[in-house]
Amino acid sequence: GAVVSQHPSWVICKSGTSVKIECRSLDFQATTMFWYRQFPKQSLMLMATSNEGSKATYEQGVEKDKFLINHASLTLSTLTVTSAHPEDSSFYICSARDRGSVAKNIQYFGAGTRLSVL
Amino acid sequence: KQEVTQIPAALSVPEGENLVLNCSFTDSAIYNLQWFRQDPGKGLTSLLLIQSSQREQTSGRLNASLDKSSGRSTLYIAASQPGDSATYLCAPQTSGSRLTFGEGTQLTVNP
Repeated sequence: GAVVSQHPSWVICKSGTSVKIECRSLDFQATTMFWYRQFPKQSLMLMATSNEGSKATYEQGVEKDKFLINHASLTLSTLTVTSAHPEDSSFYICSARDRGSVAKNIQYFGAGTRLSVL
Repeated sequence: KQEVTQIPAALSVPEGENLVLNCSFTDSAIYNLQWFRQDPGKGLTSLLLIQSSQREQTSGRLNASLDKSSGRSTLYIAASQPGDSATYLCAPQTSGSRLTFGEGTQLTVNP
């Protein structure tokens, strides 16, 4: 089955530093990838939609200059949290849509990255 | 804007019981609806996907139904086991492949 790899699974950083999270589709090509954020005891909230070779579309209230998204290839999207602050501490999850199954609109999810900003 | 509500928020049952988790959504113009499982601190595992043209899907002890016109879906778990303990999330998909998640039902199955 389709596998999405997300790295790292857990990262601790100091306030003010930047953190990059990678999302890779291992056995399929993903024209579209999605980034979600999940705070404790809450559900997943879509942050942005990233299409290969074009700029990401951000949801209302998500700062594009703070959460930089790059989708340079059909198998890799990255999310960079710039100048991280403790309130950015959260669980970040990516998903990818299989180019070959667009008709079914199925998204495959990574295992998530837990970010803790000290 | 799609809004998703899941009831109950938490459920604790003894092993072996059959149970039903409920999901309602406000925008019935959906392409499909997925049920996911999330273990604490982990990512999502897709359990079932129902296309908008379908009424139900089954996988093992799980059965999901969809009533698109009334904006409701249910997940039925038969003969529950302690390993079923997790948070179950419902997510209808609308235009642009947008998934909207409910807050989930936290299930505990006691041995």
